[in-house]
Amino acid sequence: DTAVSQTPKYLVTQMGNDKSIKCEQNLGHDTMYWYKQDSKKFLKIMFSYNNKELIINETVPNRFSPKSPDKAHLNLHINSLELGDSAVYFCASRGGINQPQHFGDGTRLSIL
Amino acid sequence: GENVEQHPSTLSVQEGDSAVIKCTYSDSASNYFPWYKQELGKGPQLIIDIRSNVGEKKDQRIAVTLNKTAKHFSLHITETQPEDSAVYFCAASGRMDTGFQKLVFGTGTRLLVSP
Repeated sequence: DTAVSQTPKYLVTQMGNDKSIKCEQNLGHDTMYWYKQDSKKFLKIMFSYNNKELIINETVPNRFSPKSPDKAHLNLHINSLELGDSAVYFCASRGGINQPQHFGDGTRLSIL
Repeated sequence: GENVEQHPSTLSVQEGDSAVIKCTYSDSASNYFPWYKQELGKGPQLIIDIRSNVGEKKDQRIAVTLNKTAKHFSLHITETQPEDSAVYFCAASGRMDTGFQKLVFGTGTRLLVSP
């Protein structure tokens, strides 16, 4: 009965490859997010969708493309992976204004 | 936009002591302030939150205080236990021009509780 689930948990790949990370939430929330956490633990928002509509796009390279097929899913596709993309990527969801965000357990992306 | 500063970056205490983590924010329109605990290999988990119409909130050993005038808020953990060891994040949320909210996180505090 995991609330926010991400797959895969670990992703190791070569520079230049294209990869996707999937996220699903079963909380019935309207808003979903992607965050990037670097090696120093800084948590930065990348994207947010509300009811399948993009509402936040934080100057992320256009190699990153989020897709929300329905409000329970928000996937992240990354083209032409670079060394600097190595990080932990977290998906989160929120039910309403001034309500807590619920996070998944992250996807650790390592670029060789 | 909002900017959140968090101190200290690391905090070591003995079991049973209290721990205090402080955050300041820049946007006076921010009105929601959650605190998250992140254990190794896990995502951040909400431990307590406070809204701008309240100055203090307590949940067992955890309390949060908010000073809107000074734009700072603090997390207090009493009677610390080794299982409290983790990275703690504060965050502030305000309404953007679009009407939607965005959480801005502090830089994190690594708390180590020694037995």
